[in-house]
Amino acid sequence: AQRVTQPEKLLSVFKGAPVELKCNYSYSGSPELFWYVQYSRQRLQLLLRHISRESIKGFTADLNKGETSFHLKKPFAQEEDSAMYYCALKKGGGYQKVTFGIGTKLQVIP
Amino acid sequence: SAVISQKPSRDICQRGTSLTIQCQVDSQVTMMFWYRQQPGQSLTLIATANQGSEATYESGFVIDKFPISRPNLTFSTLTVSNMSPEDSSIYLCSAGGSWTNTGELFFGEGSRLTVL
Repeated sequence: AQRVTQPEKLLSVFKGAPVELKCNYSYSGSPELFWYVQYSRQRLQLLLRHISRESIKGFTADLNKGETSFHLKKPFAQEEDSAMYYCALKKGGGYQKVTFGIGTKLQVIP
Repeated sequence: SAVISQKPSRDICQRGTSLTIQCQVDSQVTMMFWYRQQPGQSLTLIATANQGSEATYESGFVIDKFPISRPNLTFSTLTVSNMSPEDSSIYLCSAGGSWTNTGELFFGEGSRLTVL
């Protein structure tokens, strides 16, 4: 079974401080990992995916298969980063179900 | 990409009644899914809505309680039957397409159900 663990329900950082949202997964195959974000009063949307190796809004995430982790990082937090962040896992190959973590609420303090 | 509309956005229901949530996508999509998000919990997949055939339910969810329809590639409904207060939750419709095969899911705004 696939499982996604986000150990922190709430993470508070000051503006300008580095951010790291932790995500660990368990899956025996080759997964695809994603980070989704939900800003206040908005719908859930994709932030980034590990396949793309991209930086979105200053966020990056590297898949570490040895540690089965996919932590989300940003060097300098901004107030507009305050949101709920969900780590998600999908079995590789085509369209299959996506399993979500419990989510971490990021609060950036001005 | 896809824009997903869900209705109702919220409702207050009486115990024992049933409510149907509608999900409309602005383009044809390969996959449609229904998730539940209970207070303080993660998104839990209820079922995959299959076009023209019965939905595929996840462990712990059954068709009698959560009947799902998907008559075409842009529309699906989820019914929450014989509701109890434990069914109070946000129900999310999501969709994915084959246009990029990236695995990205698009979400509706959710339907917040309160069962009294």
